[in-house]
Amino acid sequence: EVQLVESGGGLVQPGGSLRLSCSASGFTFSNHAMHWVRQAPGKGLEDVSAIKIDGDTTYYADSVKGRFTISRDNSKKTLYLQMSSLRAEDTAMYYCVKVIRGSSWYDAFDIWGQGTMVTVSS
Amino acid sequence: DIVVTQSPDSLAVSLGERATINCKSSQSVLYSSNKNNYLAWYQQKPGQPPKLLIYWASTRESGVPDRFSGSGSGTDFTLTISSLQAEDVAVYYCQQYYTTPLTFGGGTRVEIK
Repeated sequence: EVQLVESGGGLVQPGGSLRLSCSASGFTFSNHAMHWVRQAPGKGLEDVSAIKIDGDTTYYADSVKGRFTISRDNSKKTLYLQMSSLRAEDTAMYYCVKVIRGSSWYDAFDIWGQGTMVTVSS
Repeated sequence: DIVVTQSPDSLAVSLGERATINCKSSQSVLYSSNKNNYLAWYQQKPGQPPKLLIYWASTRESGVPDRFSGSGSGTDFTLTISSLQAEDVAVYYCQQYYTTPLTFGGGTRVEIK
């Protein structure tokens, strides 16, 4: 079964840091670009960051650029999102997402994890 | 950034009736070299992650019932549920994946009348 399982969310104070992880199984992780998508409570979806299969090519939404870092370990089949200088507006469910076809991040998202909740509050 | 706008924000449809959701992008998402529209539709039920329904604007994902269909090209797209079932109550999102940042519409809530 193709599966993505996120972990690492929780309550953090403004200005704090958190690292999210996403463990992949059931498909060849190293062959697929991956994204992090977030959803604030009761709100819509925002594509936060993406990484290509090489692990070196990344992009970030303007809202998180300079504060978040995406990375991957293909040997561990794991995707990461290092978040720093967190703000109240970063409060959201964070989903790890797989693209359908492979190396390009210009692709639809066919597999979503259940998400991990990040709450930024004092 | 490409702005994706959905309409309506919500709609209520009787069981067995047709539901139509519109999606408009601020610029074309049709890639000329391969003639593909970089547009997807997702369904999200309460407490669940989104689920892919349609990609390339009209290709149904494996396992998705054929009452769901997508159409359109360029900047204007439509998701149609031909005969609404109780399990179709959800929020529906369209997304462009033509260019970064990949962007989603604001969502359309579908309810039973």
